[in-house]
Amino acid sequence: SQQGEEDPQALSIQEGENATMNCSYKTSINNLQWYRQNSGRGLVHLILIRSNEREKHSGRLRVTLDTSKKSSSLLITASRAADTASYFCATDASLNTGFQKLVFGTGTRLLVSP
Amino acid sequence: DADVTQTPRNRITKTGKRIMLECSQTKGHDRMYWYRQDPGLGLRLIYYSFDVKDINKGEISDGYSVSRQAQAKFSLSLESAIPNQTALYFCATGRQGTGELFFGEGSRLTVL
Repeated sequence: SQQGEEDPQALSIQEGENATMNCSYKTSINNLQWYRQNSGRGLVHLILIRSNEREKHSGRLRVTLDTSKKSSSLLITASRAADTASYFCATDASLNTGFQKLVFGTGTRLLVSP
Repeated sequence: DADVTQTPRNRITKTGKRIMLECSQTKGHDRMYWYRQDPGLGLRLIYYSFDVKDINKGEISDGYSVSRQAQAKFSLSLESAIPNQTALYFCATGRQGTGELFFGEGSRLTVL
């Protein structure tokens, strides 16, 4: 079964606006990651946040993690048409085993119009 | 050249045929994975391998088998393909301690 559920399923905005996507998950995690997928292509890793972190930044990306609510958000600021893609959260629930086995959510489709 | 290469990229086959999807990587990673992507269902893990002698089932392994021929090669087989195995298949690699996965470009399989 899916660990992560993204919300919304689809998001349509104008260039320059901010885009926020949310992810909820079910079990305790080691880390949570966000990936991007352009249509029909492979997934590309964007950012990883560990369970003991609350916020992380990378360029125009800001990720937050609330382990008490089992939720995360991805904010893309000043969006561009090139940001149009599907975005997936993925959780690593392997805790202290030292292994990584990611479980992916269903994704948010982002459309950024010029 | 791509670090994670999948072949074939597209394949159309008939019900009952045996199909093999191959994955090779030049990243030197010990961990390799096969995922399946279906519209509205995200990615689901089929099999994963943490080294050449290690093979583990994922959440949807029924109807699939894998072989880790070398550290750099991980193949996925469908012994007798059926239409509901029509999907986009992804190979991914990872390295212990780093967390992130690196994906190939995918193999689109259609079973008629």
